[in-house]
Amino acid sequence: DIQMTQSPSSLSASVGDRVTITCRASQSINRYLNWYQQKPGKAPKLLIYAASSLESGVPSRFSGSGSGTDFTLTISSLQPEDFASYYCQQSYSIPRTFGQGTKVEIK
Amino acid sequence: EVQLVESGGGLVQPGRSLRLSCVVSGFTFDDYAMHWVRQAPGKGLEWVSGISWNSGSIGYADSVKGRFTISRDNAKKSLYLQMNSLRAEDTALYYCAKDRNREGALFDYWGQGTLVTVSS
Repeated sequence: DIQMTQSPSSLSASVGDRVTITCRASQSINRYLNWYQQKPGKAPKLLIYAASSLESGVPSRFSGSGSGTDFTLTISSLQPEDFASYYCQQSYSIPRTFGQGTKVEIK
Repeated sequence: EVQLVESGGGLVQPGRSLRLSCVVSGFTFDDYAMHWVRQAPGKGLEWVSGISWNSGSIGYADSVKGRFTISRDNAKKSLYLQMNSLRAEDTALYYCAKDRNREGALFDYWGQGTLVTVSS
């Protein structure tokens, strides 16, 4: 099974900060990497697919990069509505696996 | 508008069975793969199982293989998860998720979840 490891597990940041979350796969997954945002009490929401493609309706301050085993989700200027948990997920092989999540909190 | 509505959750004793359902609307159900994803209280997301558009490809997480069975009824626009031999560690909110494609694992729409609690 492919293990997905996110870092950090949590971070504190201020509105306007640039935030970077890293996701590492235990083996190469090419660009089969997706990112989701989850707010408390809500279902996850797709942000980025295929490592760097922005889902329709998602603000352009969100971006993704990477290939192979190392991936990054960047929020260029953190907004109040971005405080949430973020998960990476590989769609390269079965079983599909998620990272453990990164909680972005207000500093 | 795409909608996914899960049902069938509840309190069940260890070793017993439960069947979850997900009824969808707002899209052509038989054009897309579907999945179950769960989230234990206060924990992260775990993919449980997925089924391709025509039921020709099915996959399971190692943690549920041999105990859970996914199925779909395209005529009823419904997805199911038969859960047998339930364990305390199966306690979670179970989400139904639509795939972007006929096969794969890109979850573009989610339901609100149905809570399964396994306890004596």
